[in-house]
Amino acid sequence: EVQLVESGGGLVQPGGSLRLSCAASGFTFSRQWMTWIRQAPGKGPEWVANIYLDGSRKYYVDSVRGRFTVSRDNARNLLYLQMNNLRAEDTALYYCARDLGPSGWYRGWFDPWGQGTLVTVSS
Amino acid sequence: QSALTQPRSVSGSPGQSVTISCTGTSSDVGGYGYVSWYRQHPGKAPQLMIYDVGKRPSGVPDRFSGSKSGNTASLTISGLQTEDEAEYYCCSYAGSYTSVFGAGTKVTVL
Repeated sequence: EVQLVESGGGLVQPGGSLRLSCAASGFTFSRQWMTWIRQAPGKGPEWVANIYLDGSRKYYVDSVRGRFTVSRDNARNLLYLQMNNLRAEDTALYYCARDLGPSGWYRGWFDPWGQGTLVTVSS
Repeated sequence: QSALTQPRSVSGSPGQSVTISCTGTSSDVGGYGYVSWYRQHPGKAPQLMIYDVGKRPSGVPDRFSGSKSGNTASLTISGLQTEDEAEYYCCSYAGSYTSVFGAGTKVTVL
């Protein structure tokens, strides 16, 4: 069974940092693009960042570029999101998701999603 | 990277059909055929229902179908069932290895 499990969320003050992790199992992790998606309370999902198979290419939504860094450890089937200089507007449930694009092609078809980890930025 | 436009809500009786629209631009929906649709029940993670505009993942009933015309994609749910009451989101590739979601449509089964 394909499974994604996020961890690392919590309450942090504005300007603080957090590192989220996503443990993948049930598929060949190193062969798929991986993506972070967030969903603020009562809002729709927002695409945040993604990372190529070997980690050599990374892309970000404008609002987090320069503050967030996505990375992966293919030997341990782990995806990360380092979040620095956090703002109140970063408060959301953060999901990791596998991209279904064939053979290393990014398509933005996300399946499955993890259960999410909640990040709250507040003083 | 502006959100795709969806109606806030649609409703139908059991057995009826409903269609949800998703309007973008030539830089996302209209420029690429990489549209997907997700269903989200309260407190749950979104679930992929349609990808590549009109393809269904294994396990998704054929009551769900997708299409696209110009800058607008559509999701149709035929034979509406109570379990279909949920929030639905569209998503499109937006170029440069990025994606954009819609704001969501609440489907109510009357």
